[in-house]
Amino acid sequence: AQRVTQPEKLLSVFKGAPVELKCNYSYSGSPELFWYVQYSRQRLQLLLRHISRESIKGFTADLNKGETSFHLKKPFAQEEDSAMYYCALGGSSGSRLTFGEGTQLTVNP
Amino acid sequence: NAGVTQTPKFQVLKTGQSMTLQCAQDMNHNSMYWYRQDPGMGLRLIYYSASEGTTDKGEVPNGYNVSRLNKREFSLRLESAAPSQTSVYFCASSERTGQKFSGNTIYFGEGSWLTVV
Repeated sequence: AQRVTQPEKLLSVFKGAPVELKCNYSYSGSPELFWYVQYSRQRLQLLLRHISRESIKGFTADLNKGETSFHLKKPFAQEEDSAMYYCALGGSSGSRLTFGEGTQLTVNP
Repeated sequence: NAGVTQTPKFQVLKTGQSMTLQCAQDMNHNSMYWYRQDPGMGLRLIYYSASEGTTDKGEVPNGYNVSRLNKREFSLRLESAAPSQTSVYFCASSERTGQKFSGNTIYFGEGSWLTVV
């Protein structure tokens, strides 16, 4: 079975501070991991995926297979980063993408 | 290019009533999904359709039925609505190559807010 855990439901930081949203996964095969973001009352959209090893809007995430983690990081948070963030896991089952519970990030001025 | 379109956006139902949520995508995607989003529980997969003509249960299928009408459309039906089905429902679609998500993105609709009283 595949499982994604985001231990923090709420995270609040000040503008300019570093931010890290935690994601841990459980999967026996070769995982594919994603971060999705949902701004207030908008549709979910892909933020980044581990295979791309890219930085989007200043966010990065590194897959750590030893710790089974895929934490999302940004060195200097901005107010416009306030949103709900979901970590998602896809595996060899193909069509099934499993989402974590989500972390609501608030960046205060 | 509308992407994923779902209707209705808002609906209030009485317990025991039935309704169908409609979803259509114009990206020629093979796979389509229905999720529900509840506070503190994240997104949970109700049903999915890996390709036209197939449907499979997700994590929380009880109380729901689906129909993959054609490649574009994937509807979700509540036969006898219950207050526990009050939620935000998201339809989504993705292209799928092989057995993995590599390089594929799931595209979501804007959500349907359903209240069962």
